[in-house]
Amino acid sequence: DADVTQTPRNRITKTGKRIMLECSQTKGHDRMYWYRQDPGLGLRLIYYSFDVKDINKGEISDGYSVSRQAQAKFSLSLESAIPNQTALYFCATSEGVQPQHFGDGTRLSIL
Amino acid sequence: GNSVTQMEGPVTLSEEAFLTINCTYTATGYPSLFWYVQYPGEGLQLLLKATKADDKGSNKGFEATYRKETTSFHLEKGSVQVSDSAVYFCALSLDSGSARQLTFGSGTQLTVLP
Repeated sequence: DADVTQTPRNRITKTGKRIMLECSQTKGHDRMYWYRQDPGLGLRLIYYSFDVKDINKGEISDGYSVSRQAQAKFSLSLESAIPNQTALYFCATSEGVQPQHFGDGTRLSIL
Repeated sequence: GNSVTQMEGPVTLSEEAFLTINCTYTATGYPSLFWYVQYPGEGLQLLLKATKADDKGSNKGFEATYRKETTSFHLEKGSVQVSDSAVYFCALSLDSGSARQLTFGSGTQLTVLP
């Protein structure tokens, strides 16, 4: 089983819809992160969480929200999806200052 | 602010060729440096890292040396294989309090032909 699992792996939806991307981990890490990947731009940090009671905005948090439901679960929501949020989304985890471990990504297309 | 600049791809090489992917960085303070690799349809995997000047990270035949004087962390491999075809990301991290936040370069697509 994967250590960091993202669901769904692919999603196509329409402008204005509410979307939730989910991430769960079995590694027992305290820190979790959400990134988006766009061609030619690398990965950019959306939100990160140090533990269940801690949520922090990243570089590009506008239009997104997150929820850390448990140490192992960190979900990303798009309240009203727009086409420029079409991207590949990655969840990652880390323990303290150790390197991050990434999920396999969710490909989101907004029409 | 912090930033990472990678050589643009795509890069296409024949099997057993020598690989260099250039990476330079701008950072306030003393960052840790990383190379991540992304195989098709998968997430990023840590390839190697270096945490201080003159450190050399190595893994799977890949190497990179942390050069503070040139603010560089170039990735090299002496003889690439078809299985090395992937996207390679250079990244830096400056610990902020108890956090570790990564700043990524734009990625370099490598294709190795048999």
